[in-house]
Amino acid sequence: GESVGLHLPTLSVQEGDNSIINCAYSNSASDYFIWYKQESGKGPQFIIDIRSNMDKRQGQRVTVLLNKTVKHLSLQIAATQPGDSAVYFCAEGDMEYGNKLVFGAGTILRVKS
Amino acid sequence: DGGITQSPKYLFRKEGQNVTLSCEQNLNHDAMYWYRQDPGQGLRLIYYSQIVNDFQKGDIAEGYSVSREKKESFPLTVTSAQKNPTAFYLCASSMISNNEQFFGPGTRLTVL
Repeated sequence: GESVGLHLPTLSVQEGDNSIINCAYSNSASDYFIWYKQESGKGPQFIIDIRSNMDKRQGQRVTVLLNKTVKHLSLQIAATQPGDSAVYFCAEGDMEYGNKLVFGAGTILRVKS
Repeated sequence: DGGITQSPKYLFRKEGQNVTLSCEQNLNHDAMYWYRQDPGQGLRLIYYSQIVNDFQKGDIAEGYSVSREKKESFPLTVTSAQKNPTAFYLCASSMISNNEQFFGPGTRLTVL
């Protein structure tokens, strides 16, 4: 089936710097994308989502960019903090096929103090 | 205090035994999901249910079974037919009208 993948498995950044986590998706019919954060031993937490009719969406310290032309999604975290250290997953969905999401493998974000 | 709960947090079983993982939500969500997560990998869908008394297989349903007798509950049974059951199991729920899935804290199953 279609799948979601990530370019970088591990990203190390200095505290205070901005982080960019990338995700490539292969299903051109996907019209909904979510970023989740998962801390060690816990369930994923919703960060931000974006629909395919948008190319940018901002939240608190986070921005998601969607480039449908190259099927690329990114999560930008401003002023990265130690508490941002976690695994970040992107997920894609096709609203025509209900609520099923396909998850990428994840990127580990390590914040150095 | 609304949310989704899973119990137990850690579970140990002997090989060949069936084991049932609990998932309960009080968010009034129609849809519920079970995922399996292996180290260094993403989430893989086992089963999902969009309405009481109905459920569908996900990508890796073999060796697992579920039931949805109540809207709030979606237990997962890991049977002896599952070849490699040791993993982190995550339950999630969502509204039918919204793709955002809310996750429970997970159950780590270790088969000895």
